[in-house]
Amino acid sequence: QLQLQESGPRLVKPSETLSLTCTVSGGSINSIIYSWGWIRQPPGKGLEWIATIFYSGSSYYNPSLKSRVTISVDTSKNQFSLQLSSLTAADAAVYYCARRSTAAYFDYWGQGALVTVSS
Amino acid sequence: QSALTQPPSASGSPGQSVTISCTGTSSDVGGYNYVSWYQQQPGKAPKLMIYEVTKRPSGVPDRFSGSKSGNTASLTVSGLQAEDEADYYCSSYAVNNNLVFGGGTKLTVL
Repeated sequence: QLQLQESGPRLVKPSETLSLTCTVSGGSINSIIYSWGWIRQPPGKGLEWIATIFYSGSSYYNPSLKSRVTISVDTSKNQFSLQLSSLTAADAAVYYCARRSTAAYFDYWGQGALVTVSS
Repeated sequence: QSALTQPPSASGSPGQSVTISCTGTSSDVGGYNYVSWYQQQPGKAPKLMIYEVTKRPSGVPDRFSGSKSGNTASLTVSGLQAEDEADYYCSSYAVNNNLVFGGGTKLTVL
């Protein structure tokens, strides 16, 4: 059974950079069928797609966040990562990592990482 | 890109059917058959319920069905059960390899 687990600091200061890693177990990140993505959900609000990456390194970003986001993959560790810079209170959210199919749906999700932005 | 439009709330009594709409544009919902629906229980990660407009993943009851007409997709839950009470989100592939979610609908089983 495929499992995804987010890890990284849960408290980040304003203007700093958030770094999260998603570890994939029970399957390989090296897939031409699936890609890997980050989605976030501010408290009490809806879901927002952040970025997607393939094992090859090809990536796509939400245009509204593109200037602040970097997604990367480490196939040797079966992990992919998210960096979001210049944080503000509006970036406080639960950050999910998930597996994405070619038909643009996310079928496996991590449990989520609640990130607080505060000094 | 703008979020897809969903009603904030929907409700129905046990055994009834309820339909949740998801309206986009020709650049997302209307342009591709890549609409998916997710169920989210409080404090949990979203769960895939429908993909490619009408398909159900293994294990999802056939009480859940999806459809699309033009720029609007719909999720229908038939034979409502108490356990169906949750937030539901639609999602669609969008032009230029983007992906957009709806704002979410809170389904209440009366």
